[in-house]
Parts: sequence; structure tokens; C-alpha cells
Amino acid sequence: DQQVKQNSPSLSVQEGRISILNCDYTNSMFDYFLWYKKYPAEGPTFLISISSIKDKNEDGRFTVFLNKSAKHLSLHIVPSQPGDSAVYFCAAIVNAGNMLTFGGGTRLMVKP
Amino acid sequence: NAGVTQTPKFQVLKTGQSMTLQCAQDMNHNSMYWYRQDPGMGLRLIYYSASEGTTDKGEVPNGYNVSRLNKREFSLRLESAAPSQTSVYFCASSGTGRAEAFFGQGTRLTVV
Repeated sequence: DQQVKQNSPSLSVQEGRISILNCDYTNSMFDYFLWYKKYPAEGPTFLISISSIKDKNEDGRFTVFLNKSAKHLSLHIVPSQPGDSAVYFCAAIVNAGNMLTFGGGTRLMVKP
Repeated sequence: NAGVTQTPKFQVLKTGQSMTLQCAQDMNHNSMYWYRQDPGMGLRLIYYSASEGTTDKGEVPNGYNVSRLNKREFSLRLESAAPSQTSVYFCASSGTGRAEAFFGQGTRLTVV
């Protein structure tokens, strides 16, 4: 049973618009959440994270929102750029220093 | 700035053959991980090592063995490769108490 789920395998957005990627989790013990970005033939790279004590974290064009009661988080990219086209993985962890549990990924395509 | 280095990048094996995937990190991280990525499944943890001299099973350990040779190196061995082990393998490392893991570029393994 997947503890972290990304229900949208793909998302297509026009350049300049907002991209919203969603992630749901089932394990209430998760206390830290991360988003990774992956280009073809490369390893995932860390993008942004959020602690369970917060409901929002912003870094430039990227904002992550956490709704603990719904066990849901989302990544907003504004404005979207063609270079943002990649696969995005949501990940969660119980206590920093333990292993990450990943979702299945969402492929984002930003059209010029 | 090598970060996490994996070798080889590509490999084709026949069913029943054995091989070892090598991984080294130069960030002085205590924790190291091996993940496999399959379409729609995200990254699934095979084995991890929280510190030199220790290893533990992850979500999908069957058919694999690991060795934490020293603080820098963590190898993954397939003793008798099976077609179900066709996948992309990623090594990662993280610092003590840190959630963010850094990934290598991956090894694309095909078992025929």
C-alpha cells in the first residue's frame, strides 16, 4: 500500500501560468515533506521542503502548501517556465535522518 | 563537486548473471541509500545504511545484497539477475539529522 500518492501522472501547462502538483499521504507519523525534480537521464534533485509544523513554505517561484488534516500537500510553480518541464516527486519522512518514502511522480510539461 | 557518483551508467545482463553497482559520495554523509525507479512506482528503497558498518532492508530488498565498504562507498550486488530487476537504480546520501538526500545520476540496468 503506497503511503505517498501522486494521483496525476502528468500535467500540461502553458508557459507563464501556474502549475499545481498534488500529493496525498496516509501515514500521520510523517513530519517532513519534500519535493524533488528529475530530468531525463539524471538523478532527482531536491527542490523544496516543508516541516509539519508549517502550512506554507516559499522559495522564489516555488511554494509548497501542507494541509495536515487532509493529509495533502501541493507544489505551486508561478510563473511556469519551459525549463520546469520534468518529473516531480513528492517524498515524506518520519524524523529527519531516516529514509524517504516517495510518491509515483507527476510529469510536468510546460508549453511555450 | 562530484557529490554522489555511480558506476556503471548502463548495463545489460543475462538472466542469472551477477553484478555489483558501485556508489561513492564525497560529502562526508553518514547515511546512504539504494533506490530503484520503475514507471508509475516512484522510487522504492532497496537497502540503506545509517552509518558505516550498518545496513538495513528497505521496501524491496529481495534479490539484492549491499556492502557499506567505508563511509564513502555503498555497493549493491545482484547475485542472480532476473528480468524483474530491470530498472533504474539510484544511490543517494544524506547528512546526519537531515531529510534532504542527494542522488547520483543513476544506473540503467536491463536483464534479458
